Formats: sequence, C-alpha cells, structure tokens
Amino acid sequence: QSVLTQPPSVSGAPGQRVTISCTGSSSNIGAGYDVHWYQQLPGTAPKLLIYGNSNRPSGVPDRFSGSKSGTSASLAITGLQAEDEADYYCQSYDSSLSGQGVFGTGTKVTVL
Amino acid sequence: QVQLQESGPGLVKPSQTLSLTCTVSGGSISSGSYYWSWIRQPAGKGLEWIGRIYTSGSTNYNPSLKSRVTISVDTSKNQFSLKLSSVTAADTAVYYCARTVPTYDSNNWFDPWGQGTLVTVSS
Repeated sequence: QSVLTQPPSVSGAPGQRVTISCTGSSSNIGAGYDVHWYQQLPGTAPKLLIYGNSNRPSGVPDRFSGSKSGTSASLAITGLQAEDEADYYCQSYDSSLSGQGVFGTGTKVTVL
Repeated sequence: QVQLQESGPGLVKPSQTLSLTCTVSGGSISSGSYYWSWIRQPAGKGLEWIGRIYTSGSTNYNPSLKSRVTISVDTSKNQFSLKLSSVTAADTAVYYCARTVPTYDSNNWFDPWGQGTLVTVSS
C-alpha cells in the first residue's frame, strides 16, 4: 500500500473550488521532500500538473495550484471545468523506502 | 519536444521475463541531467514506480521489485529498456516510461510520459 494517502473521490459543480489532500509522514512530506502532482484523464497517460509543491509547468492553467504544510500537501482546482474530470496523483520521495517514485493512492475528481 | 514510446510484447507467459523498450525522440537521451524511469499501473489501480536509470548506467529500483528488475540504456539507439523476470498475473499492467527530473535531495518528478503499453501475463 502507498505511504501517501489521498481521498478516493472528490466532486464539485462547474465553477466551484475543490481540494485534494495528500497525507504523508515524517519520512516523506514531513521530512521536507517536495510533492508533485499528476493528472490522468480517462484512458490516457498521467501528465505532470504541479512540481516542487507549487510550480506549474508551461501550459498548465493557473486554476491548478499546489501547497504543502507539515506532513501533508494539497492540490486545489478553482473554477472547476468538465475537462478537469480525471484521476489525480501526488508523488514524493520516502527516505525509509529509498523510493524515488512514491505515489499517492489517487483521487477521482467528478464534475457534477 | 521530447516524446517517449513504449514497445514490446503485449502477452507474456507466467514465470517468463517481461521485456519492454522505450524509444526517446525529439532529443538526445544523453542531454541534460535526466534519469529515465519505468512506472506501471494495473487496471483500475494506482501508479507504481519500478525504477530509473541514468545514461551512465546508474540505476535505482523499487525495493519491492528489485530482485526481479533490470533497467538498461542504449544511448546509441536513444532507448532504455526494462526486464522483469519471473512474472505472474500480478504483473499485468499498463507500463509507462517517463523522463525523470531529479532534485538535489533524491526526489524527482516525471515529465513527459509515454502513452503506455498493456502487458498481460497469462498462459
């Protein structure tokens, strides 16, 4: 099982704001390791959405924002759009596992 | 921009070795300080990092798979490869390759990703 826990699902109406949490521990997020976020649209490969806790790659809308505090991180989507319906994964490093690619459990965002 | 494409058999028999290749286009696999990773996703489930390689040949593997995994690189062909031995049905998944951007503290992120290839383990 993953050491990064996310809620299985979140939902919101178009235009609303939703947040996805990513809860870790003292060996990963709490140890100061950055968190990265990916969006996986249905039937497609994951795409980098946020890197280094809060940085957006070129081309990612500013409706997506990331933050980190303590042993948790969050991804916020403001002005929710139908095209945002997807699975979202957080990712970090865990010193106890020596794993460069520790992923969160994933969250399905549904646009009502 | 850099693009990645996975290739290899879509069906592997139990106990055999799964072999996949990732071809990098739009740039040299040796340029920049990038690693190159393999990641998999069973149907309906989450993402699992398998391992990564630097163009020098240096590797890091997921401890849970380390005994069965070998990742190699062929810079002359702009490719890197995955071998997973002694496969079982639990290894059935979509396998992705991804460019891996390292950070100063052993962390990294993955961008871009290949489109993925489904590998089924079945007799």
